[in-house]
Amino acid sequence: GENVEQHPSTLSVQEGDSAVIKCTYSDSASNYFPWYKQELGKGPQLIIDIRSNVGEKKDQRIAVTLNKTAKHFSLHITETQPEDSAVYFCAATLMDSSYKLIFGSGTRLLVRP
Amino acid sequence: NAGVTQTPKFRVLKTGQSMTLLCAQDMNHEYMYWYRQDPGMGLRLIHYSVGEGTTAKGEVPDGYNVSRLKKQNFLLGLESAAPSQTSVYFCASTGVLKSETQYFGPGTRLLVL
Repeated sequence: GENVEQHPSTLSVQEGDSAVIKCTYSDSASNYFPWYKQELGKGPQLIIDIRSNVGEKKDQRIAVTLNKTAKHFSLHITETQPEDSAVYFCAATLMDSSYKLIFGSGTRLLVRP
Repeated sequence: NAGVTQTPKFRVLKTGQSMTLLCAQDMNHEYMYWYRQDPGMGLRLIHYSVGEGTTAKGEVPDGYNVSRLKKQNFLLGLESAAPSQTSVYFCASTGVLKSETQYFGPGTRLLVL
């Protein structure tokens, strides 16, 4: 089955700097890769996603890149702000009949003012 | 729309007791999922449902049962709680015909003594 590894487990950056979180997946059949943000005491919320037919996707300060050959994908946050502080999870799935997400172990991002 | 709601928010059980966690969604989503979240392990899929009256096992189904009698509700049952089931439980739903996005509830924190 699918296995997703996520690094680093914690990341501390200065406000305004960029943050990068990386994930690798094991199942080459996976074709959908979402990223979720979880704030304290809340459920995860989708912030960006990418399908396997696309190499990069951007949404304002957030971007995701996908390398299918190497089976890894990354989240890039530019011009970080204190409100970006949260736990971020990557996930992978095969868009078949169940859409079961396999999550990475999470990255705690701290943006220092 | 309330989105995905979960009850209760917090519960303390003694070993061997039983309980049911309720998940409700008002988005007319076909698919629903139950996850558990433990420190350093991300979210792991317990059971899921691809439609009313159907359920299937996820990564960590042992010790749990589920039912989907109505499209909008997905129940997670613990027949005989164990301390290893101390966790935060999240429900999610998606209407895959429109989008792959999984929408998460706010979570239920369960402590088994």
